[in-house]
Amino acid sequence: DSGVTQTPKHLITATGQRVTLRCSPRSGDLSVYWYQQSLDQGLQFLIHYYNGEERAKGNILERFSAQQFPDLHSELNLSSLELGDSALYFCASSTSLIGGGTDTQYFGPGTRLTVL
Amino acid sequence: LAKTTQPISMDSYEGQEVNITCSHNNIATNDYITWYQQFPSQGPRFIIQGYKTKVTNEVASLFIPADRKSSTLSLPRVSLSDTAVYYCLVGDVNSGYSTLTFGKGTMLLVSP
Repeated sequence: DSGVTQTPKHLITATGQRVTLRCSPRSGDLSVYWYQQSLDQGLQFLIHYYNGEERAKGNILERFSAQQFPDLHSELNLSSLELGDSALYFCASSTSLIGGGTDTQYFGPGTRLTVL
Repeated sequence: LAKTTQPISMDSYEGQEVNITCSHNNIATNDYITWYQQFPSQGPRFIIQGYKTKVTNEVASLFIPADRKSSTLSLPRVSLSDTAVYYCLVGDVNSGYSTLTFGKGTMLLVSP
């Protein structure tokens, strides 16, 4: 158990819909990262938040957005869903803004999104 | 970002030592080498990280030659539970984990 929690575990929805994925980082971790993993693309970095502020963006579509709240949990919002958005979505947390030294990135169990 | 190349898959038997090599010819001065392990439908798990020479922890060893253009993850005496995908990542961790890119990884299959 990494200490990172994600809900829901599974989500099945239809094209065009909007969903929200939730992540609670490990206690004390200020950084939250979101990743998408699909069969053909591997694990893709989407976005990084640190203590409530967006710090880096990766391959995140404009239909996707995220935020980190004062209690440090984060939500990933996916809208106008398409079949190709079906994937595993992982959240990871780390203590610091940067990953240097002994800081380690811890991944949650993921949310499996299926778009029908 | 440094590009990494690692074998798509490897097979081994229980009790054997497994060495997975990753090539990263354009590694930069500030880049570290990090390995993750991922089981099906689970999030990746940090295994080991190094900059040069050799690093060892309770799970694995990481060998990095002087030119740092490759690295080898060594798993001693593997068991069935070591069957997983192993990712080699190269990047400047001091700039944040967002700079690290996961590739397709190496699927290790351990048989009895």
